[in-house]
Amino acid sequence: QLQLQESGPGLVKPSETLSLTCTVSGGSISSSSYYWGWIRQPPGKGLEWIGSIYYSGSTYYNPSLKSRVTISVDTSKNQFSLKLSSVTAADTAVYYCARLTGTVHPWGQGTLVTVSS
Amino acid sequence: EIVMTQSPATLSVSPGERATLSCRASQSVSSNLAWYQQKPGQAPRLLIYGASTRATGIPARFSGSGSGTEFTLTISSLQSEDFAVYYCQQYNNWLALTFGGGTKVEIK
Repeated sequence: QLQLQESGPGLVKPSETLSLTCTVSGGSISSSSYYWGWIRQPPGKGLEWIGSIYYSGSTYYNPSLKSRVTISVDTSKNQFSLKLSSVTAADTAVYYCARLTGTVHPWGQGTLVTVSS
Repeated sequence: EIVMTQSPATLSVSPGERATLSCRASQSVSSNLAWYQQKPGQAPRLLIYGASTRATGIPARFSGSGSGTEFTLTISSLQSEDFAVYYCQQYNNWLALTFGGGTKVEIK
């Protein structure tokens, strides 16, 4: 059964870079059938797609975040990562990693990242 | 960007009653529409894809319909575990996914 697990700091200072890693288990991130992605949810609000990556490294980002986002993949570790630069309080959210086939399934459990000094 | 609009924002329903949730796309997404259920403190769970196909393990009381720009999620007889927030999501352009704002189904 495919499982995804987010990891990374739960607290980031304003203007710094948020960095998270998603570890995939129970399947290969190199499968040609899937993309892998990040989605976030500010407290009490809705879901926002951040971006997606293919195992080859091709990336697609939400235009509203594109200037600050980098998603990368490490097939040797079966992981993919998110970097979001110049964060502000508005970036405080639960960050989910997920497998994408158009639909989002399965999801990681999510990790809360708070931006605060 | 395809904008997804859900209505109502909150739906108050008694257990055993029928709930009907709506989702509208700003342009046609064909049948490339999914529904998710999210309970407090949990990640969303895929319920419906292809506008009307239930995901593995989803009870038959959940059904989806629609195509193009208008979609509906129906829960035929609400159970206690169904009170949650529901999101629609288009994947017609699945390299630019967008979600609706959500409908909270609460106990009346």
